[in-house]
Amino acid sequence: EAQVTQNPRYLITVTGKKLTVTCSQNMNHEYMSWYRQDPGLGLRQIYYSMNVEVTDKGDVPEGYKVSRKEKRNFPLILESPSPNQTSLYFCASSLWGGGLAGNEQYFGPGTRLTVT
Amino acid sequence: TQLLEQSPQFLSIQEGENLTVYCNSSSVFSSLQWYRQEPGEGPVLLVTVVTGGEVKKLKRLTFQFGDARKDSSLHITAAQPGDTGLYLCASRTDSWGKLQFGAGTQVVVTP
Repeated sequence: EAQVTQNPRYLITVTGKKLTVTCSQNMNHEYMSWYRQDPGLGLRQIYYSMNVEVTDKGDVPEGYKVSRKEKRNFPLILESPSPNQTSLYFCASSLWGGGLAGNEQYFGPGTRLTVT
Repeated sequence: TQLLEQSPQFLSIQEGENLTVYCNSSSVFSSLQWYRQEPGEGPVLLVTVVTGGEVKKLKRLTFQFGDARKDSSLHITAAQPGDTGLYLCASRTDSWGKLQFGAGTQVVVTP
């Protein structure tokens, strides 16, 4: 089954304790991306990766890092989480990072992160 | 940066009624996507519109792309409780790779 998986689904942590949220896709997609979703703000892009050689910042990259060592995996790293990073996080992938026609973005199930 | 504005923010209607949600920008869209998100799940693509003036239908859902490609609408005919969800529009910004979403319209359809 074609899918994007994220782990963990739920995470409660404390300020400053480094954490990683994993993301994996089995569709051989070139493009992967991370979003955070907050009430009233919709989805905001954190980082995206056009392919294993190209990673770039989205609209809200501060406090986050990413890594794209393999095509299928795109982990999100919070080196020193803070309470303002409490949010619902989604990983997504699509065939490529260009035009939208014929280029559906598939989303993972989400990771709900709480930083106390 | 292109800003996508969605309206209304919230819509509550009875089963059988019609509804329309809007997505607007001050800039021209190269193309635009509509997603629906249900509680506890990630967004799922409904449609992609590319050509100005384009109309696409998906069962009871009708999507329109403005002639000037600066606005889009989603119309649901005879809404059903299964249409309940958060409807999001999305478009590329001026950079390849970046995808921007509107804040969404929460639609609630009660039996």
